[in-house]
Amino acid sequence: GAVVSQHPSRVICKSGTSVKIECRSLDFQATTMFWYRQFPKQSLMLMATSNEGSKATYEQGVEKDKFLINHASLTLSTLTVTSAHPEDSSFYICSAVLEPMNTEAFFGQGTRLTVV
Amino acid sequence: AQSVTQLGSHVSVSEGALVLLRCNYSSSVPPYLFWYVQYPNQGLQLLLKYTSAATLVKGINGFEAEFKKSETSFHLTKPSAHMSDAAEYFCAVSAASGSRLTFGEGTQLTVNP
Repeated sequence: GAVVSQHPSRVICKSGTSVKIECRSLDFQATTMFWYRQFPKQSLMLMATSNEGSKATYEQGVEKDKFLINHASLTLSTLTVTSAHPEDSSFYICSAVLEPMNTEAFFGQGTRLTVV
Repeated sequence: AQSVTQLGSHVSVSEGALVLLRCNYSSSVPPYLFWYVQYPNQGLQLLLKYTSAATLVKGINGFEAEFKKSETSFHLTKPSAHMSDAAEYFCAVSAASGSRLTFGEGTQLTVNP
């Protein structure tokens, strides 16, 4: 099956620093990737839709200048949390759509971000 | 607009008992429906999906779900629970295959020995 690799799986950073999370589709090309955020004991909330070669589409209430998304190739999308604060601590999960079949989304393993 | 409601944030069953996790959806277009399982600190694994073909969908690990348009439901069942089934389960809906997903609140399944 299709594999999506997300890295790192865990990261601890200091307040004010930036953290980059990578999402790679290992054995397929993904024109579209999605970034979700999950708070403890809660559901996944879509943050943004990442499209290869174009600007990401952010959901209402998500600060695009704080959560920078780059989808530079058909196999890689990155999420950078800039000037991180403790309230940004969360579980971030990416998913990639299998192209060209476009039948379902495959999820990465998630990244646990802790800002101290 | 689409939404999903999962009835019961926590479900507890005995090992070997029937598992029933409830999901109701709302969609202005014919929906695509999914069930995912999540283990602690991990991503989501697809259990099964409904994409307008057969209404009874069989998935991995013995799970299945039935799409009932009249009831706007897509409940997940498994005849006999196993200890390894203990996890968080999410129902999700999308307007088209491969598009953005809207998730339910999740149901934590506990399996007692």
